[in-house]
Amino acid sequence: AQKVTQAQTEISVVEKEDVTLDCVYETRDTTYYLFWYKQPPSGELVFLIRRNSFDEQNEISGRYSWNFQKSTSSFNFTITASQVVDSAVYFCALSEPDNYGQNFVFGPGTRLSVLP
Amino acid sequence: ETGVTQSPTHLIKTRGQQVTLRCSSQSGHNTVSWYQQALGQGPQFIFQYYREEENGRGNFPPRFSGLQFPNYSSELNVNALELDDSALYLCASSRTSGVFYNEQFFGPGTRLTVL
Repeated sequence: AQKVTQAQTEISVVEKEDVTLDCVYETRDTTYYLFWYKQPPSGELVFLIRRNSFDEQNEISGRYSWNFQKSTSSFNFTITASQVVDSAVYFCALSEPDNYGQNFVFGPGTRLSVLP
Repeated sequence: ETGVTQSPTHLIKTRGQQVTLRCSSQSGHNTVSWYQQALGQGPQFIFQYYREEENGRGNFPPRFSGLQFPNYSSELNVNALELDDSALYLCASSRTSGVFYNEQFFGPGTRLTVL
């Protein structure tokens, strides 16, 4: 069965601090996709990144970076030099695609508060 | 913005009533998925529609039903509303090609309150 765990319910940091959001997943498939979404107070889910199970290269996009480790079933997300605008709920999600599309299993989310 | 629209934005109903939520998918997309997000939780998959048929369903009772129209827009219907149905309902559209992964794009959601 698919499962995504985000052990950190809430994190508060002061602006310019670095922060890492943890994500641990469970799946029996060898082919799967992992995602991070940001949900600001407006409610819309904003796509941040997608990784497939065959690509373990870490990725950096501006202040964001992701560390994918299959050995520990983790896909952690780091924000460097955090800003107040980063305050939101962040979701990690897992998808096991089939021939007709894919359904996401989301983690419970981590609420990040960046204080000025 | 993703190009996925949902209506209405907010809705208040009373227990036992029925509700219909609507979703217009992004241009070129043929698949719509619906998710329920209760307060403080992650979204949970309700069902997916592809080629106007239900194609996968999460752990939701039959009073949650849907439709997909020839233009690929979709409706989510909930009968006999219960207090626990209060949530943000998100739809996501994608283009299913049968072979390759296709990105899901989420709409802004409809916030349903059941009193």
